[in-house]
Amino acid sequence: EAGVVQSPRYKIIEKKQPVAFWCNPISGHNTLYWYLQNLGQGPELLIRYENEEAVDDSQLPKDRFSAERLKGVDSTLKIQPAELGDSAVYLCASSLTSGGRVDTQYFGPGTRLTVL
Amino acid sequence: GENVEQHPSTLSVQEGDSAVIKCTYSDSASNYFPWYKQELGKGPQLIIDIRSNVGEKKDQRIAVTLNKTAKHFSLHITETQPEDSAVYFCAASAGYSTLTFGKGTMLLVSP
Repeated sequence: EAGVVQSPRYKIIEKKQPVAFWCNPISGHNTLYWYLQNLGQGPELLIRYENEEAVDDSQLPKDRFSAERLKGVDSTLKIQPAELGDSAVYLCASSLTSGGRVDTQYFGPGTRLTVL
Repeated sequence: GENVEQHPSTLSVQEGDSAVIKCTYSDSASNYFPWYKQELGKGPQLIIDIRSNVGEKKDQRIAVTLNKTAKHFSLHITETQPEDSAVYFCAASAGYSTLTFGKGTMLLVSP
């Protein structure tokens, strides 16, 4: 079974430029998460989707970050414009959630963003 | 919201020794506690988890214990091997699918 796929793996951009990250979850997983991981820290949730609906985006900085999950499968996270402080690893995870039970979240390898 | 504290931040052991990592959480409603292992350049990988209706769970050399009264849970790795070297994260969930992670423990196992 293929795991969570993310691309690109690495991205270097100059500040004020836009950037986008793509995630393909494990087949059949209805819940998709985007996390931010700063160096030496644990992952922090940015947004959670259940199928096509963003059910928790309270930690997403909406002035510059946006996300979408078309058709309830793949997802894209965008930053526009990027700032120096956005340099971090962006992790995507997916899970099969049903009946209100928290199930295992499977993580992708992440995209390491460097903003110069 | 939930707050998870994790200790120690770094842990060095000799091969064959045991390693213990401890976490505390703040929200008494938390009922799911996974542990993840993250190797350099990779995403976190689940190694074991425990739910609030269980006090202890084992999987070969790895075990997790949960004390809901004290709101803490621990990861125990026995007979450590160099390939156990990685960063380990604990997490807690107080609600529907939302995980709050600790800051991680870097485990170094020397041959």
